[in-house]
Amino acid sequence: EIVLTQSPGTLSVSVGERATLSCRANETVNSGYLVWYQQKPGQAPRLLIYGTSIRTTGIPDRFSGSGSGTDFTLTISRLEPEDFAVYYCQQYVNSPVTFGRGTKVEIK
Amino acid sequence: EVHLVESGGGLVQPGGSLRLTCTASGFTFYNYWMTWVRQSPGKGLEWVANIKEDGSEKKYVDSVRGRFTISRDNTKNSIYLQMSSLRDEDSAVYYCARPLWAYYGGFFDSWGQGTRVTVSS
Repeated sequence: EIVLTQSPGTLSVSVGERATLSCRANETVNSGYLVWYQQKPGQAPRLLIYGTSIRTTGIPDRFSGSGSGTDFTLTISRLEPEDFAVYYCQQYVNSPVTFGRGTKVEIK
Repeated sequence: EVHLVESGGGLVQPGGSLRLTCTASGFTFYNYWMTWVRQSPGKGLEWVANIKEDGSEKKYVDSVRGRFTISRDNTKNSIYLQMSSLRDEDSAVYYCARPLWAYYGGFFDSWGQGTRVTVSS
């Protein structure tokens, strides 16, 4: 199965700053098959981005995704208070679908 | 509005059984693959099983194959997860999830609120 490694485990950022989250796969992931979720405490994951860079309806443009091959990035350009959460990447090019372990974005 | 509601979680002893239910509304249920995903502090998010629109295909993660059975009843807009021979490591919050697009299984834009399963003696 494809293993996704997210880094850092925790990112401390101030409101208004930029956050860059990494997701690295142990084998090539077709860029159409990489997605990102946001999860807040006590809530289910929320789909942010699919196809590496396509924002889901309602997701603000401060969220952007990029990458190819084995290296993918989620960037939050200017953090808002509501963006502090855990972010997960997921691939579905191979079965089983796998998720990264998450990056927690916390207030600095 | 898409709505997914899980039920059936609880405390069960190792080796025991439990049946989870997810009831859906707000979309054409019989057009969608449906999936169970679980989340535990130890293993994070883990895809568990999914089932094709008409129930003709079912897939499982290796760790539950032979112990869990996914099924669906399109007349009741529901999917089920029959879990048997439960182990401590099956303890998790179990989510029902729907993919973004009909006839497509890969990623999920709608999730239920989750139901907690605790396996402990």
